Amino acid sequence: QVQLVQSGAEVKMPGASVRVSCKASGRAFTDYGVSWVRQAPGQGLEWMGWITTYNGYTNYAQKLQDRLTLTTDASTTTAYMELRSLTSDDTAIYYCARRTPDSNGFYYFFDFWGQGTLVTVSS
Amino acid sequence: DIQMTQSPSSLSASVGDRVTLTCRASQSISTYLNWYQQKPGEAPRLLIYAASSLHSGVPSRFSGSGSGTDFTLTISSLQPEDFATYYCQQSFRTRYTFGQGTKLEIQ
Repeated sequence: QVQLVQSGAEVKMPGASVRVSCKASGRAFTDYGVSWVRQAPGQGLEWMGWITTYNGYTNYAQKLQDRLTLTTDASTTTAYMELRSLTSDDTAIYYCARRTPDSNGFYYFFDFWGQGTLVTVSS
Repeated sequence: DIQMTQSPSSLSASVGDRVTLTCRASQSISTYLNWYQQKPGEAPRLLIYAASSLHSGVPSRFSGSGSGTDFTLTISSLQPEDFATYYCQQSFRTRYTFGQGTKLEIQ
C-alpha cells in the first residue's frame, strides 16, 4: 500500500524559508513523480510544481518559480519542498501527491496524497 | 497557464438527488481532466481521471463526461458521505491547474 508521510507543522517568520518533506513507501519511488499542492485557509487547491523522481526534472507554477525548489532523495524515497522569502500569503496546508500515469501513459493524475503540513508565516 | 472555472461555487442538495457540477477550461484540453473530492480536514481524493474514467474504489454513482473545454461531474444519487468540495484539474499542460471548487452542501 502506497503511503506518503509528510513532516510536521512549521511556524516561520516573514522572510524565512521552509522545507517540508514527503516520505514515500510502497511501490517503487522512481517510477512516479511527486507534485506539491497548497491550500490557504478556507481557500481552494493551488498546484505548486512537480518533480520526476528518476532524474529530478522539475516544473513549477509561474508565480512560485523564483522562490520554490523541489528535490528528491531516492536513497530515502523522500521528496522535499523548499519555499523561500515567505510572506503571510504563504500560510497554508502543503500537500505532496504522487503523480501517476494511466495504464497507457497518456493521462496523469494525483492518486495518493500526503496528510498535509501546515505552514504558518507570522511575526 | 490554463484557467479552470467551476460552477456553481456552491450547491445545496438532498440525499438521493442527482447533481451535476460543471468545469470549464480557458482553452481546449481534450479529455485531460481530473476530478477530486475533498472533505474538511482531509487531503483530496481522486474520483475521475481522463474526464470519464472512474478511479479504483470510487462508487459507480460518480461519473464524468466532456471534452474540449466543457466538463461535468455527475453524482447519480447523493449519499450523506458525498457532501464535500469538488475540484477539477487539467493535465493537458504539465503546469497543472485546479478549478476554484464547488462546495456541495446538505439542503
